[in-house]
Amino acid sequence: QVQLVQSGAEVKKPGASVKVSCKASGYTFTRHDINWVRQAAGQGLEWMGWMNPNSGDTGYAQKVQDRLTMARDTSISTVYMELRSLRSEDTAVYYCARRNHINSFDSWGQGTLVTVSS
Amino acid sequence: SYELTQPPSVSVSPGQTASITCSGNKLGDKYVCWYQQKPGQSPVLVIYQDNKRPSGIPERLSGYNSGNTATLTISGTQALDEADYYCQAWDSNTVVFGGGTKLTVL
Repeated sequence: QVQLVQSGAEVKKPGASVKVSCKASGYTFTRHDINWVRQAAGQGLEWMGWMNPNSGDTGYAQKVQDRLTMARDTSISTVYMELRSLRSEDTAVYYCARRNHINSFDSWGQGTLVTVSS
Repeated sequence: SYELTQPPSVSVSPGQTASITCSGNKLGDKYVCWYQQKPGQSPVLVIYQDNKRPSGIPERLSGYNSGNTATLTISGTQALDEADYYCQAWDSNTVVFGGGTKLTVL
């Protein structure tokens, strides 16, 4: 079955960077975009961007585009999300999600808590 | 930028029908998805392309989208339906989520 497994929780200081991984299994990795969505405690879902694992093409939300980079390693079916110049407002659970052929997110990772604190 | 607006909360009695709305400019021209999220869990897709259910989602959940409003309807609401619900659409190759609605089953 389709599975997305994310890396573990991170604690970072303001100004640092964080890199979260999302390992896919159960389907052909290069056939589906991976999106990243974050959720601050008690808040709603915020879309961050997408990556096409086949071409490497990306698209980022305007709010974070200057600090966000997505990358992939097709040999291990993994997508990475790196957020730089972290601020306290970046404290959130970060999810990766698979976009299916009908433009919905049909499988989600378990989430990775990123805490930004001095 | 495009916005989707949901009521923060909806309450319903067990067995009754709950309706959660999602409003956006000409939303009926877009496809809407709905996600259910329970505390401490990842979101789950419950409706896609306005009114279709993924495998395993009960028929009690249905969707409709027209004009400026999409609606998620839960018939015969059960305690296990208590969760946060988010609508989602695409606009200019970016994803937009509604602010979420907390469904309480009283």
